[in-house]
Amino acid sequence: EVKLEESGGGLVKPGGSLRLSCVASGFTFSSSAMNWVRQAPGKGLEWVSSINSGGHAISYADSMKGRCTISRDNANNSLFLQMTGLTADDSAVYYCARGGGSFSYWGPGILVTVSS
Amino acid sequence: EIVLTQSPGTLSLSPGERATLSCRASQTVSTSYIAWYHQRPGQAPRLLIYETSTRATGIPDRFRGSGSGADFTLTISRLEPEDFAVYYCQQYDSSPTTFGPGTKVEIK
Repeated sequence: EVKLEESGGGLVKPGGSLRLSCVASGFTFSSSAMNWVRQAPGKGLEWVSSINSGGHAISYADSMKGRCTISRDNANNSLFLQMTGLTADDSAVYYCARGGGSFSYWGPGILVTVSS
Repeated sequence: EIVLTQSPGTLSLSPGERATLSCRASQTVSTSYIAWYHQRPGQAPRLLIYETSTRATGIPDRFRGSGSGADFTLTISRLEPEDFAVYYCQQYDSSPTTFGPGTKVEIK
């Protein structure tokens, strides 16, 4: 069974930083492209960042470029998203998702709230 | 970037009825790289259809995707209670990948 589980969310002050993690199981993580997608409260889905299986091809949404870094640890089946300079607009549920085009599996999501 | 527009915003139907959801792209999606997801309240999205018309693993055949160019459709032949949810289309033809704003299918 494919499982993705995010952690590391919570309440952070404007301008603060946060590191999200996603642990994967049930599939060959090291062969899979991975992604972060977010959803602000009551809003739609917004792609944030993608990383290919080897970690060498990375892309970011313009809204997060320069403020976040995606990375992965294939030895430990883990995906990360380091975010800095957070603003209220970054408040959302953050999902990790598997796939190099369409997103075949999603974690349950982790809530990030940016507020003073 | 490719902007996706979904219509209608809300679809009010009864169980057993047919649902037709539209997704229109701001430019031609040349590779047919369109996916559909549904999302129930409090849950993560789930992939239903990829490459315009291929059902994802475990998705029943009442879900059918079609379309080409800039116009794509998701049809649910007979709505089951678990199908009442928000539906999103996604294009992954060009970077950045983008999602439509969603269509809510609600019980009439």
